[in-house]
Order: sequence, then C-alpha cells, then structure tokens
Amino acid sequence: DTGVSQDPRHKITKRGQNVTFRCDPISEHNRLYWYRQTLGQGPEFLTYFQNEAQLEKSRLLSDRFSAERPKGSFSTLEIQRTEQGDSAMYLCASSLAQGARAEAFFGQGTRLTVV
Amino acid sequence: GIQVEQSPPDLILQEGANSTLRCNFSDSVNNLQWFHQNPWGQLINLFYIPSGTKQNGRLSATTVATERYSLLYISSSQTTDSGVYFCAVINFGNEKLTFGTGTRLTIIP
Repeated sequence: DTGVSQDPRHKITKRGQNVTFRCDPISEHNRLYWYRQTLGQGPEFLTYFQNEAQLEKSRLLSDRFSAERPKGSFSTLEIQRTEQGDSAMYLCASSLAQGARAEAFFGQGTRLTVV
Repeated sequence: GIQVEQSPPDLILQEGANSTLRCNFSDSVNNLQWFHQNPWGQLINLFYIPSGTKQNGRLSATTVATERYSLLYISSSQTTDSGVYFCAVINFGNEKLTFGTGTRLTIIP
C-alpha cells in the first residue's frame, strides 16, 4: 500500500472558477477526513466520512464546498466559485477506526492558489 | 471544543542538541498523535500515543493523560529534524483530530 494519495498536488485557478480535488485513502480504511491549512496555522477540520456516510461537517465548510465519498472508497472535495480566501493547503487523511483506536495518516496535500 | 496548545512556538538549536516539545490539552482524550510537517507540507506520523511512553530512534514521546499533556523529545538533533511539529488529539465523544498550534524547530549546522 502506498499510503494516502491526493491529486492534484498543486492547483492555480482564477477567482470564480470551480475546482475539484481527489483523495484515495489507504485500502480498507473506513474513515476519511478533509482538513484545510493556511500559512502559519495548524490544519483545521472540514469534514469526515465513515465509509460512504458524511458524518460531520465543520462550520468552515460553506455552501460553496461539497465533499463526496461514493462507495466508501476515494473522496472528492469540490469548491465552487472560488475566492481568494480559499487559497490554502487541502489535506486528506484516512484511518481504520477500531473502537477508540484511530491512527490517522495524511496524504501529501493539494495546494490551491486562487488568483 | 477542546483546546490544544504547544510550546515553545519557535525553537532554534545547534546540531547535536536535545529538545523537548510540549503539548497541553484542555479535555480528556482517547487519541493523541505527533506529526512532523516536512517542507513540502506533508504530515509525517511520528507517534500514536494516547498514553504512556514510546521511543523510535532519537525520538521519544510521553503522554500523561491524567494531567493532560504530552512531551516529544528529540535527541542529538540533525538538520533534517527542522520543520513544524504538531500535536493532534481526539477527545472523548468526538471523532476528529484537533491540532495544536505547532512548534517550529530550526536546527543550525
């Protein structure tokens, strides 16, 4: 297994455009998380899935953001009508939740720049 | 929500020195992880340590859950240890990692 994979690694887009990011978790991991990190800050939680069900969304996730995880495998995060404030690193993580144990592993991230 | 504070915020050391990074959290936790964020932004897992002590080479970590803190020790620092170190926790009744403020470590040759 090669770990959590994210695509693309970098994305530059014009304000107002839509963008979509993909995350492939570690095989058989049932949980998948999306985080956002801006310069000089720690990662902030956006949303997470248990299998295909989206169980929690942060207030940071405005109605311009949508995430899916069809069939409980890969996930996509779409941002509509991008704004300059959306510029950040978007991180995906996965874990195999077994009771209280849920060590998370992160992908390399997608760095979004909105110009 | 749970608050996670790390200290010091910045640390500059000479190569070969030892360092201790601290993570304080405001509520009981059932998960705690330490990460090293490399220059390209990826979070590298260092320790999964909700309680007790673990060692991996020059790094070790201790979590005292009852007193709500964790420590990360780095011995004989190398320039490749430079970067930002994050502590992240999951508190009871929650399912997501909450990250601390980070410690930026700079090792000077």
